[in-house]
Amino acid sequence: GAVVSQHPSRVICKSGTSVKIECRSLDFQATTMFWYRQFPKKSLMLMATSNEGSKATYEQGVEKDKFLINHASLTLSTLTVTSAHPEDSSFYICSARVDGPRQETQYFGPGTRLLVL
Amino acid sequence: GQNIDQPTEMTATEGAIVQINCTYQTSGFNGLFWYQQHAGEAPTFLSYNVLDGLEEKGRFSSFLSRSKGYSYLLLKELQMKDSASYLCAVREPPNKLIFGTGTLLAVQP
Repeated sequence: GAVVSQHPSRVICKSGTSVKIECRSLDFQATTMFWYRQFPKKSLMLMATSNEGSKATYEQGVEKDKFLINHASLTLSTLTVTSAHPEDSSFYICSARVDGPRQETQYFGPGTRLLVL
Repeated sequence: GQNIDQPTEMTATEGAIVQINCTYQTSGFNGLFWYQQHAGEAPTFLSYNVLDGLEEKGRFSSFLSRSKGYSYLLLKELQMKDSASYLCAVREPPNKLIFGTGTLLAVQP
């Protein structure tokens, strides 16, 4: 149980285009999902917290107009990188939180590697 | 502010024991997690500590001292497949995970 999927796993796009990344919880409902970015050989940086049915909460320094997050249902959150530039190239990972007293309350997706040319 | 520090890289020998340290200063504390991450893959959960002391789970153990803002992950009987990055993460209330800098462990024959 507790599987999180991401789509696509890899994407290459031209500078100036927008890219949408989907994060799905496959066998559980997630009221909260998180989006992280990871640069090569670096740790995960939290970008935003996505709550179902409400606006996302962005971390300091993350542009909300550039990284659009939509959490339309309890099993799906999307991250859209708008007007992507080469510096947006990174590994984007989502995680989904399970409500309850479990000690492992966040489950991670397999990540999406974005390359902007 | 938030500060979670780990050594950048470590090297150990197959069959040996290695300890990866993590020190943290965060605005809140609701548990500390250790994750393993192989290159290009998502992190996988290893351990969780919320009370002081040692939690043992097979070849992996994790220790926490809240008063010192300190944790370590202990890996015993190292195997080549244990070569990976190990991430320490503190959960700030209510549920935000803040990751440390990560430690790249290389296990040598």
